[in-house]
Amino acid sequence: GAVVSQHPSRVICKSGTSVKIECRSLDFQATTMFWYRQFPKKSLMLMATSNEGSKATYEQGVEKDKFLINHASLTLSTLTVTSAHPEDSSFYICSASTTMGSYEQYFGPGTRLTVT
Amino acid sequence: LAKTTQPISMDSYEGQEVNITCSHNNIATNDYITWYQQFPSQGPRFIIQGYKTKVTNEVASLFIPADRKSSTLSLPRVSLSDTAVYYCLVGDMSGNTDKLIFGTGTRLQVFP
Repeated sequence: GAVVSQHPSRVICKSGTSVKIECRSLDFQATTMFWYRQFPKKSLMLMATSNEGSKATYEQGVEKDKFLINHASLTLSTLTVTSAHPEDSSFYICSASTTMGSYEQYFGPGTRLTVT
Repeated sequence: LAKTTQPISMDSYEGQEVNITCSHNNIATNDYITWYQQFPSQGPRFIIQGYKTKVTNEVASLFIPADRKSSTLSLPRVSLSDTAVYYCLVGDMSGNTDKLIFGTGTRLQVFP
C-alpha cells in the first residue's frame, strides 16, 4: 500500500525557535496533503490542506503565520512551527491523498513535538 | 460535512465480536463512510470504506443500512492487539470536499 513518512519522529526544541517537519509520500504522488495535530487522548484536529504548487488552506483558528506549510513537490510537504511555545507541544500528523479529494488518505506515523 | 457520533469507549474480551456503531444523520449523497484505527503515538490506519449495504475485507466488515444514517464496524474475534481508537469518518469522494473531519472516536479496550 501507499506509504507516507514523516521526519523527524520526535523533536525537542527550546521556546522561541522554529521547527520544520517533513511529510513525504514514498511510492505515490500526493496531489493533496493534510496536516493534523493531536493532543493526548484527543482526536485529530485538521490544521490545513495543501495542494501541490498552491497556498495551503488553513482551518479556522489556525494561525497561518505560525504554522507555515509548503507543498513544493508531489511527494513532499513541510510544516514549520515558527517561534514555538510550550503550548505548541503536540503530536503532528500528516496525510496524503492521490486525488484532489480526500479519497484514499494515507497517514504518516506522526511527529512528537515538545517545546521546553 | 456530515458530523459523526460514536460511543466514547467500549470494552471487550479476546475472541469476542465487537460492533461499533456510528451515527451520521446528515450524510450527503456523495459521501462515503471510512473507518480508521489508531494506536497510541501512531498515525491512523485505514480499516475499511463503504457506500452502502455491506463491505468485508480481511480485517473487518462494515454494515450500512439503506438510509445510510448510521454504519457499524464489525471486528470478528478481537485480540489484545485490537485495543485502539476507532474513528468513523464521512467524506465526499467526488472531489468536491477535500478534507476529512475526525470525530471523538471510540476507544476500544480488549481484555484477556
